[in-house]
Amino acid sequence: SQKIEQNSEALNIQEGKTATLTCNYTNYSPAYLQWYRQDPGRGPVFLLLIRENEKEKRKERLKVTFDTTLKQSLFHITASQPADSATYLCALGSNTGTASKLTFGTGTRLQVTL
Amino acid sequence: DAGVIQSPRHEVTEMGQEVTLRCKPISGHDYLFWYRQTMMRGLELLIYFNNNVPIDDSGMPEDRFSAKMPNASFSTLKIQPSEPRDSAVYFCASSLASGGGSDTQYFGPGTRLTVL
Repeated sequence: SQKIEQNSEALNIQEGKTATLTCNYTNYSPAYLQWYRQDPGRGPVFLLLIRENEKEKRKERLKVTFDTTLKQSLFHITASQPADSATYLCALGSNTGTASKLTFGTGTRLQVTL
Repeated sequence: DAGVIQSPRHEVTEMGQEVTLRCKPISGHDYLFWYRQTMMRGLELLIYFNNNVPIDDSGMPEDRFSAKMPNASFSTLKIQPSEPRDSAVYFCASSLASGGGSDTQYFGPGTRLTVL
């Protein structure tokens, strides 16, 4: 069966360092992958999209890589700040017609300390 | 735009009661999704609509769950009868199809359901 794994343990890093979050998947051939941020008591918020034919995407302090051979995506936040503390979800998407049907991982909680 | 609107934000009910969750998608969006989030299972897709028509309800756990979308600006998710294991946060999301099949989904704030 399809499986998406994100580190269930919280990631604690110091302000200013680079945070790296991992998303691994099995029995899945996604056409694209998205990363979302979720704060407590709120819905997920879209951050970045990367397609299967792309190796890397950047947006300000965020960088995503996508390795379809390793079946892995890495999500980096450079120069991390306490405001980056949240849960980050990866979501794999398949081309089902025109709908963006997503399968989400369980998320990794990031805590950035001063 | 106000974003995706969900009501109520919190619902506490007793086992066996009917529960109705409501969602207003972003105006102009043609896809609407219902998700359930728990600590154990994460965020799971229950059902999604395209232009008010249910496309895939394979995630609906059982017949106690039903969803409708009578028009482009309103959808409901109903649980009847409710059970304690239905306790979770239910999210509604909407998106605008761009043809590439990778559209961003915009989530509402969620409804926290507690079934006693």
